[in-house]
Amino acid sequence: GEDVEQSLFLSVREGDSSVINCTYTDSSSTYLYWYKQEPGAGLQLLTYIFSNMDMKQDQRLTVLLNKKDKHLSLRIADTQTGDSAIYFCAETGGNNRKLIWGLGTSLAVNP
Amino acid sequence: KAGVTQTPRYLIKTRGQQVTLSCSPISGHRSVSWYQQTPGQGLQFLFEYFSETQRNKGNFPGRFSGRQFSNSRSEMNVSTLELGDSALYLCASSRERGGDEQYFGPGTRLTVT
Repeated sequence: GEDVEQSLFLSVREGDSSVINCTYTDSSSTYLYWYKQEPGAGLQLLTYIFSNMDMKQDQRLTVLLNKKDKHLSLRIADTQTGDSAIYFCAETGGNNRKLIWGLGTSLAVNP
Repeated sequence: KAGVTQTPRYLIKTRGQQVTLSCSPISGHRSVSWYQQTPGQGLQFLFEYFSETQRNKGNFPGRFSGRQFSNSRSEMNVSTLELGDSALYLCASSRERGGDEQYFGPGTRLTVT
């Protein structure tokens, strides 16, 4: 079945770039999303990319999509302590258009 | 524009009881999806409602049910609560059916003792 995998933890220093990776199995995905969840809060849509795109940039965020390898990444430039959160990758899986979610990557930003 | 609201924010129940959670989507959004989030299992899809009809369903037992009203507001119900039902229940709304951009509420933290 459809599956989305992410590494569980990432630790970076403030000011460095963070790269969060995600792999998925469904080749029919149309949209791929990145969501952010801060402690005690719901999920916030950060950005998304359509499957026919390779890259999307939005201020400090860069999304790269390698459709051949089914690999998605989120790069956060100049990472700040406020970026500490859990980041979820999701893709529209299958004919029923249900979102398939990764388990989330916990990003820790150290001063 | 107001965001997705969920009530109550926190709930404590005992095993065997039932619970009803409420979600009000963003104005103009017709789809509401429900998720269960636990530390070990991540985000698990429960079901999606669109135009008052359940359109998608996850792999949860029949104790979990939901409905959607004509104003797109949705409720989910869990009957015969078990300890393992303790979780954060998240509601998300989208303009059209699931798979589109989803906007999440803050969640309802349910604790079953």
